[in-house]
Amino acid sequence: AQTVTQSQPEMSVQEAETVTLSCTYDTSENNYYLFWYKQPPSRQMILVIRQEAYKQQNATENRFSVNFQKAAKSFSLKISDSQLGDTAMYFCAFMKGQGGSEKLVFGKGTKLTVNP
Amino acid sequence: EAQVTQNPRYLITVTGKKLTVTCSQNMNHEYMSWYRQDPGLGLRQIYYSMNVEVTDKGDVPEGYKVSRKEKRNFPLILESPSPNQTSLYFCASSFGAGRWGGEDTEAFFGQGTRLTVV
Repeated sequence: AQTVTQSQPEMSVQEAETVTLSCTYDTSENNYYLFWYKQPPSRQMILVIRQEAYKQQNATENRFSVNFQKAAKSFSLKISDSQLGDTAMYFCAFMKGQGGSEKLVFGKGTKLTVNP
Repeated sequence: EAQVTQNPRYLITVTGKKLTVTCSQNMNHEYMSWYRQDPGLGLRQIYYSMNVEVTDKGDVPEGYKVSRKEKRNFPLILESPSPNQTSLYFCASSFGAGRWGGEDTEAFFGQGTRLTVV
């Protein structure tokens, strides 16, 4: 069974600075997807960024980027130029690739606070 | 607009009183799923459905039922709710990686239902 570990229950950062959230996972699969979801106080689950395991290039979405280390089974999220609106719970999630189920396995989350 | 709609958003009920949380998606997704979110535990899958009339248990199915009579709807049923089912519930749908692959793989989530059982 797959597991996802987020070792930082809470983090804080000053506005405009950079912060990195950690995520490690355990799987024997070779084909899979990794995601970071953001959950603001509104409770809505918002996809921040996705990474396909077969792609060596790290995914980027504006101020959000990942450091995907497949051999180390590590998938960290870097937020540059942090904004107050980035304050939220962040979840790392794993999904098996083609031929598997669509089940998302989530980490326990990291609560990020951006301070003015 | 592509969306997953859950109702109600808030619900307070008493132990043993049957309830249903509805979920509907307008994206023609085959795969739908229910998750519960608890503090310190993240989200855990309750049940899922890979197509009409095809459902199966997730990681925490005890005390829950589901049905998939139509592709767009996937209600969650609590026949006899208990206080340990107090939680935040999410419905999600997707069409991608697991069965077909694709670079736009994404699970779309409803807005959540905060359930309190007293």
